[in-house]
Amino acid sequence: AQTVTQSQPEMSVQEAETVTLSCTYDTSESDYYLFWYKQPPSRQMILVIRQEAYKQQNATENRFSVNFQKAAKSFSLKISDSQLGDAAMYFCAYRSEGAQKLVFGQGTRLTINP
Amino acid sequence: NAGVMQNPRHLVRRRGQEARLRCSPMKGHSHVYWYRQLPEEGLKFMVYLQKENIIDESGMPKERFSAEFPKEGPSILRIQQVVRGDSAAYFCASSPLALGTSGTASYEQYFGPGTRLTVT
Repeated sequence: AQTVTQSQPEMSVQEAETVTLSCTYDTSESDYYLFWYKQPPSRQMILVIRQEAYKQQNATENRFSVNFQKAAKSFSLKISDSQLGDAAMYFCAYRSEGAQKLVFGQGTRLTINP
Repeated sequence: NAGVMQNPRHLVRRRGQEARLRCSPMKGHSHVYWYRQLPEEGLKFMVYLQKENIIDESGMPKERFSAEFPKEGPSILRIQQVVRGDSAAYFCASSPLALGTSGTASYEQYFGPGTRLTVT
């Protein structure tokens, strides 16, 4: 079974600085998708960014980018120019090609210091 | 286009009572997923349904839990004889028909706001 590990329970960063959240996963498959979700205090799950494993280019969405290392099974999220509104729990998630369910990591709580 | 709707947002039940959680998927979405989030943990998959069919219930506890997605109306997650350990946030997600094969567009799951169940 696939597993997703987020080794940083908590992270903090100064406003306007850059922070990187780590995620590793374990799979024997070659085709899959990886996601980062944000969960603010409202608990609404918000998709931040998605990466297809067959794509070598790292995904980017405005201030959010990923460093996808397929051989190392690593999928980190970089947040540039951190804003107070970025404070939330961040979850890394995996989905197999052809499967429907998401497998989530334990989450990283991100605090933004003004 | 309204997002995924869940109700109630908060539900309090005494031990032994039944809990019914409802999920209305986004318009045009025919796939529904239920996840459970225990305090300070990530979401855990419970069940995946299409209209009138349970496709994957590998994450559902063997007893007391059931789910349905009828032809008309919302998807229902039902927990019978609730116990304190059932206290959690329950999230529903929906997606359109899957298109995913390598090289084509994948789909995304859109999440509802969750139902927080408290068992006293």
